[in-house]
Amino acid sequence: KAGVTQTPRYLIKTRGQQVTLSCSPISGHRSVSWYQQTPGQGLQFLFEYFSETQRNKGNFPGRFSGRQFSNSRSEMNVSTLELGDSALYLCASSLEITYEQYFGPGTRLTVT
Amino acid sequence: KQEVTQIPAALSVPEGENLVLNCSFTDSAIYNLQWFRQDPGKGLTSLLLIQSSQREQTSGRLNASLDKSSGRSTLYIAASQPGDSATYLCAVRPAGAQKLVFGQGTRLTINP
Repeated sequence: KAGVTQTPRYLIKTRGQQVTLSCSPISGHRSVSWYQQTPGQGLQFLFEYFSETQRNKGNFPGRFSGRQFSNSRSEMNVSTLELGDSALYLCASSLEITYEQYFGPGTRLTVT
Repeated sequence: KQEVTQIPAALSVPEGENLVLNCSFTDSAIYNLQWFRQDPGKGLTSLLLIQSSQREQTSGRLNASLDKSSGRSTLYIAASQPGDSATYLCAVRPAGAQKLVFGQGTRLTINP
């Protein structure tokens, strides 16, 4: 079974631009979560989607948004990029039975 | 608010040693606890998942224990190898929350 995939793997953007990241979960997984990882803050929860509904949201500004499609694929969008948004963005999927999280390889976003 | 702490932040040991990584959490109301491994610049690999009703889980040379009442978990690695060098992350899923709360990780180096 294929793992969680994320595209693109690397991105370089300029301050003020916006960016969209994509995540495809493991087949059969309907829950998708997003996390931001930085050296200073570690791994922080962004949001979680299940069956196209956002069930939980972390403490991030409204510039961070996401959505989930009917095939469980998810996208997250960051508008008006700031230098501090430079990070590794990780997506995870899980089954509702065990809630074991499986992570993708991440998207490395650099904002200049 | 759930907080997760991992001690030590870094650990360097010679090959072949048995070692223990520690994880503590402040709120015992958890659904499960998961240990991950992260190689530099990569995503997270799930090592072990312990449900709140369980006391330990084993996979190969790895054994994880959970003491919910005291808010502690340990990851035991037997007969360490250079390939075990990585950052090990502990995360808890708070009861009723669709997210993981992560510790800052322990950076492990196994010296040949």
